[in-house]
Amino acid sequence: SQQGEEDPQALSIQEGENATMNCSYKTSINNLQWYRQNSGRGLVHLILIRSNEREKHSGRLRVTLDTSKKSSSLLITASRAADTASYFCATNHRTGGGNKLTFGTGTQLKVEL
Amino acid sequence: DAGVIQSPRHEVTEMGQEVTLRCKPISGHDYLFWYRQTMMRGLELLIYFNNNVPIDDSGMPEDRFSAKMPNASFSTLKIQPSEPRDSAVYFCASSSQVNQPQHFGDGTRLSIL
Repeated sequence: SQQGEEDPQALSIQEGENATMNCSYKTSINNLQWYRQNSGRGLVHLILIRSNEREKHSGRLRVTLDTSKKSSSLLITASRAADTASYFCATNHRTGGGNKLTFGTGTQLKVEL
Repeated sequence: DAGVIQSPRHEVTEMGQEVTLRCKPISGHDYLFWYRQTMMRGLELLIYFNNNVPIDDSGMPEDRFSAKMPNASFSTLKIQPSEPRDSAVYFCASSSQVNQPQHFGDGTRLSIL
């Protein structure tokens, strides 16, 4: 089964509001990454947080990581219509075949004017 | 800088035909990944290479799928014979290290009739 499960599956907010997405995973990780995917395009890396970090910021993005609960959250502050996209968490973890990045199911964010 | 380049962007073919997807990674990246994205299964890792050598192919669905990386700037994913259930978007990604952010191409949307 997939490593990451995201919540909610879909989120609709007004421009200017904050958006919070959550991710849960199952096994030990090296790091956790968040990606954005616009319709018809490839995934774009947003932010990486290591397993020994608890919080990280990048512009309007804030990511938290709780390894005891095996969960992470992505907060987008002051959202814009251009933030409309799908957001995926991905866990980097060791497997029998080496390291692997396993993606969650994604959250579809819609920011309305 | 050029990103990851995939071709073709769209492919429509009949069941039983051979399909070849192509990828040019970012220059200097030692890792190349092939993913498949569907609504039902999300984003799945099929195979990844390090310095042109396949490291983990546990995600390759069956023997109809094969991937090669003859040199550092080119990789192919081949399906022979193709089946309707292979219809999906196939992404190629590359990275400098296995646990670092991955850079994705815009994918090949494959439809098998």
